[in-house]
Amino acid sequence: QQPVQSPQAVILREGEDAVINCSSSKALYSVHWYRQKHGEAPVFLMILLKGGEQKGHDKISASFNEKKQQSSLYLTASQLSYSGTYFCGTESSGAGSYQLTFGKGTKLSVIP
Amino acid sequence: EAGVTQSPTHLIKTRGQQATLRCSPISGHTSVYWYQQALGLGLQFLLWYDEGEERNRGNFPPRFSGRQFPNYSSELNVNALELEDSALYLCASSSGNVAGELFFGEGSRLTVL
Repeated sequence: QQPVQSPQAVILREGEDAVINCSSSKALYSVHWYRQKHGEAPVFLMILLKGGEQKGHDKISASFNEKKQQSSLYLTASQLSYSGTYFCGTESSGAGSYQLTFGKGTKLSVIP
Repeated sequence: EAGVTQSPTHLIKTRGQQATLRCSPISGHTSVYWYQQALGLGLQFLLWYDEGEERNRGNFPPRFSGRQFPNYSSELNVNALELEDSALYLCASSSGNVAGELFFGEGSRLTVL
């Protein structure tokens, strides 16, 4: 079942912060975040495993609330290069899943 | 190191025809995943191959099929094309049978007229 992402789209000015949410109706083993720039392949950002950990690199971080089956991606002090569509991919608990189900994406536009 | 490569880049077909898309994974990767990216629908999971076997398939009709070759490259076949099959088809590879980082190719754009 496809995870639900919100918001669908957001416009930011450089330097502003944004939060993108991803929620699932199924128990999750992991959540993955990808960014796809226009006309390019999706690129991996990070994986979060169940356990409620928070990860990040540079000014992009994410959290995973296993009990709520939710993950949030935090973008702070946004840069023009952050523009693109962000996808969360969820891996459901249970042996043999080993595949990601992606949300419909959140289109982020950063303007000067 | 070469990334995931897909061919053709663009493909135009008419309704009822068949399309074949190809994917070469990163060297050493044994798992290949196919996703359909239609406008507004995100990445829809199609098929997963690992070590030459089909491990799982998404909620698509049987006219979507594929295979993985001994060198781990893969092809996706779509028979009896319909207009709604028009989409970007993305291939991704990973190094094992655990859902780790996926490396995506740039996709094959299929247009059905």
